[in-house]
Amino acid sequence: AQSVTQLGSHVSVSEGALVLLRCNYSSSVPPYLFWYVQYPNQGLQLLLKYTTGATLVKGINGFEAEFKKSETSFHLTKPSAHMSDAAEYFCAVSGLSRDDKIIFGKGTRLHILP
Amino acid sequence: DVKVTQSSRYLVKRTGEKVFLECVQDMDHENMFWYRQDPGLGLRLIYFSYDVKMKEKGDIPEGYSVSREKKERFSLILESASTNQTSMYLCASSLSGTGLNTGELFFGEGSRLTVL
Repeated sequence: AQSVTQLGSHVSVSEGALVLLRCNYSSSVPPYLFWYVQYPNQGLQLLLKYTTGATLVKGINGFEAEFKKSETSFHLTKPSAHMSDAAEYFCAVSGLSRDDKIIFGKGTRLHILP
Repeated sequence: DVKVTQSSRYLVKRTGEKVFLECVQDMDHENMFWYRQDPGLGLRLIYFSYDVKMKEKGDIPEGYSVSREKKERFSLILESASTNQTSMYLCASSLSGTGLNTGELFFGEGSRLTVL
């Protein structure tokens, strides 16, 4: 069964600094991987996803993530943080079967310091 | 613009009351989901449906039921609300052709339920 671990429930970075949010998954085969973002008082929206192909995935708002099979990781990065990036970020994983459901991590709240 | 609409953003109910949470999507999606979101626990799947009148239990179905009489509408029902059901409830939908596992989930803005 798939599972996902997000390291750090809260992360603070200064405006303009690199954003790095960590996600590790547990799966016997390379799964499908997702990052979702939740802005205050809103539902979640998809940032990016990896299903097959290129391991470096670019998403919206300047975010990207790299699938590293050897490290079972799918960390989310952004070169320069903006105040508007303050939100909660969820890593998610699913298996290869069409009936597999998407499993979410517990979330990381990103704080941007002025 | 695609949209998932949850009927109530905030509800306050008393213990033992029956609670209905409504969700409507305008994207003609086959799959619909109800999640519960709690601090430190992330999102947990309560029920999902992949077709009209079809429903499947998720990870935490106890104390909940669902109804899907029309493709666009998926309702979550708390037959007898309890204080431990105080939470944020999120509805989502996705296209069937992509499977449950690879498709993008489209979420509503959530319904925050407080049970006193």
